[in-house]
Amino acid sequence: QKEVEQNSGPLSVPEGAIASLNCTYSDRGSQSFFWYRQYSGKSPELIMFIYSNGDKEDGRFTAQLNKASQYVSLLIRDSQPSDSATYLCAVSDTGNQFYFGTGTSLTVIP
Amino acid sequence: DVKVTQSSRYLVKRTGEKVFLECVQDMDHENMFWYRQDPGLGLRLIYFSYDVKMKEKGDIPEGYSVSREKKERFSLILESASTNQTSMYLCASSPPGDTQYFGPGTRLTVL
Repeated sequence: QKEVEQNSGPLSVPEGAIASLNCTYSDRGSQSFFWYRQYSGKSPELIMFIYSNGDKEDGRFTAQLNKASQYVSLLIRDSQPSDSATYLCAVSDTGNQFYFGTGTSLTVIP
Repeated sequence: DVKVTQSSRYLVKRTGEKVFLECVQDMDHENMFWYRQDPGLGLRLIYFSYDVKMKEKGDIPEGYSVSREKKERFSLILESASTNQTSMYLCASSPPGDTQYFGPGTRLTVL
């Protein structure tokens, strides 16, 4: 069984702060890594994907990947109340199947 | 934009009924997936399909079946609904090895 672990939270940060969300995975053969955001009662929407070791930035979001440590993270800079949601980490191997973590609940306090 | 639609947002059925959930995508994606999502358990894969008339079991296929007669459409069937199948059902589609795009979800309640 391929495991994807996330701290369920809840994680609370003040508005304007940096939110740091973490994810570890068990399968060393994993190739692709995704972060989804899910608002309450809605379906997951893709925020970022990363394939290579290092950082990938997109606006206020930065994904970080360390394959040696089997660790992927998402940083949200200048956090806004609208960022309050559950964040899902997903990992894919060379096939087509995704393996999802159970999600981290983030609350940004105005 | 990728569009994945599901036949119902909310559905209420009785125990023992046969239930059909339909999913349609308009991006010519080869892969389609059915998940259920429950509090504390995350997303669990029920079935997926790599091509028309192809299907593969996911982690929790018991009590479910699927049908993919056309590339754009993937149906989930609950042969005899039970109360423990009350859940949010999410359909997704993707190109091979690429990002999965989700539909809006169907919240099914079985009484």
